[in-house]
Amino acid sequence: DAGVIQSPRHEVTEMGQEVTLRCKPISGHDYLFWYRQTMMRGLELLIYFNNNVPIDDSGMPEDRFSAKMPNASFSTLKIQPSEPRDSAVYFCASSSLGDGYTFGSGTRLTVV
Amino acid sequence: GESVGLHLPTLSVQEGDNSIINCAYSNSASDYFIWYKQESGKGPQFIIDIRSNMDKRQGQRVTVLLNKTVKHLSLQIAATQPGDSAVYFCAETEAGTALIFGKGTTLSVSS
Repeated sequence: DAGVIQSPRHEVTEMGQEVTLRCKPISGHDYLFWYRQTMMRGLELLIYFNNNVPIDDSGMPEDRFSAKMPNASFSTLKIQPSEPRDSAVYFCASSSLGDGYTFGSGTRLTVV
Repeated sequence: GESVGLHLPTLSVQEGDNSIINCAYSNSASDYFIWYKQESGKGPQFIIDIRSNMDKRQGQRVTVLLNKTVKHLSLQIAATQPGDSAVYFCAETEAGTALIFGKGTTLSVSS
């Protein structure tokens, strides 16, 4: 298995623009998680899905953030409009029955 | 100006020494714990896990100890190598929900 695949690896965008981050979980995994990592706050949970259904989005910082999982093999995290304080590394992870949590390589987002 | 951010504990060891990294977790209901290694520019990499019905688990060169009484987790790395240099995170979860991460410890191995 290729593991959790995230794209793009790097994204530089201007403030106010829409940003979409993508994630392909490991096949057969029924949980998908989005995390954000910054120097200030470490690794924070944003949202997670079970069987494509959002379970807990309490970590989503603002309405500017939204996440979808239209099917078992794809999820997106969208920020609109983006702001400089959204600059961070965003990780996607997947697991099966709450076990074997595997992380992707992350997307480094820079908003200028 | 001064850099503001998480002040991660740092452990500096010599190559060949044994390393012990400690973690205090917060939720007494957590039943599954994982140690991750994160190298610069990469995602967290699974090292070893342990369930709450165990107090010790061993892998290759690594051992995890769990003390539920004081909510403490430790990672022991035997014969530490320069390639072990990274940031190490403990993570906890309850009943298959999302992982909650600790703040991390930087391990620096000198040869």
